[in-house]
Amino acid sequence: GAVVSQHPSWVICKSGTSVKIECRSLDFQATTMFWYRQFPKQSLMLMATSNEGSKATYEQGVEKDKFLINHASLTLSTLTVTSAHPEDSSFYICSARESTVNSPLHFGNGTRLTVT
Amino acid sequence: GQQVMQIPQYQHVQEGEDFTTYCNSSTTLSNIQWYKQRPGGHPVFLIQLVKSGEVKKQKRLTFQFGEAKKNSSLHITATQTTDVGTYFCAGPRGNKLVFGAGTILRVKS
Repeated sequence: GAVVSQHPSWVICKSGTSVKIECRSLDFQATTMFWYRQFPKQSLMLMATSNEGSKATYEQGVEKDKFLINHASLTLSTLTVTSAHPEDSSFYICSARESTVNSPLHFGNGTRLTVT
Repeated sequence: GQQVMQIPQYQHVQEGEDFTTYCNSSTTLSNIQWYKQRPGGHPVFLIQLVKSGEVKKQKRLTFQFGEAKKNSSLHITATQTTDVGTYFCAGPRGNKLVFGAGTILRVKS
């Protein structure tokens, strides 16, 4: 089955530093990847849609300069949390689709970010 | 915009009891998908329903898609401790997938 690898699985950083999270589709090409944020016991909040070779599309209220997304290839998307603050602490999950718009999403294992 | 509502928010059942979570959309859906997220894990795709009135089964799990394609349900018969987790429904909105709030299932053994 389709596998999405996300790295790192957890990271602790100091306030003011930047953190990069990688999302890779291991056995399929993903022209579109999605980045979600999830708070404890809550649903998945879509942050942005990452499009290969073009700019990401951000959801309303998500700061594009704060959460930098790069989708340089058909198998790799990165999310960089810049100048992280404690309120950025959360669970970040990426997902990818294999082909058509209605194909199911395959999720990475998620990254637990803690900003001290 | 399109919203996907899901109830209940929590369900705590005794092992062996049945469990149902319901999903309602404000608009007609071309399809609906269900995902399960175990505690500490990531969402895993369970199934996709496409046809009006469709019913699909996976062992003890029964998925239904309403005739109007605006609501769906997931029913688990005789729950087991391995069923614990959060169950999400999701419907497409353009290129994206809109998730319901999820139903957290806890099973007492």
